[in-house]
Order: sequence, then C-alpha cells, then structure tokens
Amino acid sequence: EAQVTQNPRYLITVTGKKLTVTCSQNMNHEYMSWYRQDPGLGLRQIYYSMNVEVTDKGDVPEGYKVSRKEKRNFPLILESPSPNQTSLYFCASRGPGTKNTEAFFGQGTRLTVV
Amino acid sequence: GQSLEQPSEVTAVEGAIVQINCTYQTSGFYGLSWYQQHDGGAPTFLSYNALDGLEETGRFSSFLSRSDSYGYLLLQELQMKDSASYFCAVRDMLNAGKSTFGDGTTLTVKP
Repeated sequence: EAQVTQNPRYLITVTGKKLTVTCSQNMNHEYMSWYRQDPGLGLRQIYYSMNVEVTDKGDVPEGYKVSRKEKRNFPLILESPSPNQTSLYFCASRGPGTKNTEAFFGQGTRLTVV
Repeated sequence: GQSLEQPSEVTAVEGAIVQINCTYQTSGFYGLSWYQQHDGGAPTFLSYNALDGLEETGRFSSFLSRSDSYGYLLLQELQMKDSASYFCAVRDMLNAGKSTFGDGTTLTVKP
C-alpha cells in the first residue's frame, strides 16, 4: 500500500528539548515536504526537498531543520522547541515533474511544547 | 509571493449542490489543486486544474479561470460525509517545490 508514515502521532515535550519527527514514504517519490497547521489556518510549508541532499526553505522555516540523506526519509528536527511550535504537522510526498500534482500526506503529528 | 482566499465556512443541506470559491495571487502559476481534510486528519487530494475549464471527478468538479485568477470546487449530491474542510493550493512556477495553501473552507452538511 502506497503511504506516507509519520512518527510519533502525538508528542508532548518541554521547551528546549530536542526532538525529531520522522517521515517515510514507500512510493519512491523524489519530492517531500513538511507543513504545519494551526487552528483556522491552512497548511504552511516549513521545508521541502526536491531530491536526496536537496532541501530548501518554505514559508515558515524558523526553528526547524530537515535532512534528506535517503529518498524515502525526510525527518523534521526541532533543535530547541518552543511553545509557539505547538501545532499539527504533516509530511507529504509527490512524484516528479509538473504532471504529478497529487501530494500524499501522512497522518499528522500533533506536537505540544510546554 | 503567493496568496489564496477562500470563504471560511459554507453550510448546505444533504442532496444539494455547493460551490467553494478560491481566488489567488501568484508570481507564477502551475495550476490549482483542491484537498479535503476531515477533522485534522490527513489531507487528501481531490482535483487539479492546469488549464481553464471544468474538470469532473464523480460528484466533485473543479473549475479554473486563469484570466480571473479564480477557481472553484463544486460538490454535487451532498452527503453527510462531505462535511470537512476544503483547501485550494497552488505551486510556484519559478520554484516547483514551494506550495501555498488557502486557509480552508469548512463545509457543514445538514440533514
């Protein structure tokens, strides 16, 4: 089954304690991306990756890091989480080229920073 | 930069037809996509328009007018399960990796 898998689904952590949210896709997609979603708002792009070792900032990258060492994985790293990073996070992947418009999303990670 | 505007809420009754509008401002344009999201779950892809006109997929249709920077999602024969949030989204023509989503329209279907 084609899917994007995020872990953990829920996480409560304290300010300043480094954490990593993992994302893995089994569709051999080149493109992967991270979004955050806050109440009443749409998805805002944090970082994206066009291929292995190729990453770039989205609209809200501050406080986040990513890496793309292999095609299937695209972890999101919060080096020093703060309460304003409390949010619902989604990872997504998509096939290459302009004809591949459908993005596949993971089930989301609900992060609370206290 | 890119920005999209869509109504925050729409209410309709079961069996009716509802239209969710989306206007956009972009520096470049690949096309307009629509996604559905139930109660904070994973967004799921509904449709995509790259050219002007109507695209039909079952009960859902999507329309695009590039000259008006406008599109809409049309849902027919509404069912209770269609109650969800609907997002329009665009990709940046100059930077294919960047995507911008609207803030979403919450559709409530009443019996």
